Amino acid sequence: DIQMTQSPSSLSASVGDRVTITCRASQSISTHLNWYQHKPGKAPKVLIYGTSSLQSGVPSRFSGSGSGTDFTLTISSLQPEDFATYYCQQSYTSPFTFGPGTRVDIK
Amino acid sequence: QLQLQESGPGLVKPSETLSLTCTVSGGSISSGLYYWGWIRQPPGKGLEYIGSTYYSGNSFYNPSLKSRVTILVDTSKNQFSLKLSSVTAADTAVYYCARHVPEVAAGTDYFDYWGQGTLVTVSS
Repeated sequence: DIQMTQSPSSLSASVGDRVTITCRASQSISTHLNWYQHKPGKAPKVLIYGTSSLQSGVPSRFSGSGSGTDFTLTISSLQPEDFATYYCQQSYTSPFTFGPGTRVDIK
Repeated sequence: QLQLQESGPGLVKPSETLSLTCTVSGGSISSGLYYWGWIRQPPGKGLEYIGSTYYSGNSFYNPSLKSRVTILVDTSKNQFSLKLSSVTAADTAVYYCARHVPEVAAGTDYFDYWGQGTLVTVSS
């Protein structure tokens, strides 16, 4: 299975901050990388699919980049509703695997 | 707006079979455009992909669970289900159902609609 890692595991930030989360795959996954936002008790929500495609309805402050093994999710200006846990997921090969998550807290 | 809702027992005894159902509303499982999948998250751990099914009944599973998992679809009820046999405490998790967008539709596979999840505890 392809192993996914994320850094940092958690971060504290303020409203308006630029936030960057990194995801790394144990082998090349081309651009088959997706990002999800998860809040406690809620359904996870896809933000970005295929490394950089913004899911319909997701604010443009979210963006993704990368290829091969290294990927980034950027929130250009953190909003109050963005405090959540973020997961990356590879879909290059089955079984699809997820990163361990990055929790974004209020500073 | 598409909605998915998991249902089933919250407590299962060790060695028994875990059975969950996902009811889809606001769209048809039989549309043929999507797969329908299950993902789980043990307490304090990450997300684990279990498997997916197509409306025709064609299913594929995570090899780590393949010997114990069955995903079935009931188009007449617009539902799909998960059965996991011979459960142990390690199967305690929040179980999510989700719509699986295939690579042929979006250039990559991903899960675009999820249920809120249901906690299943394995304990005697």
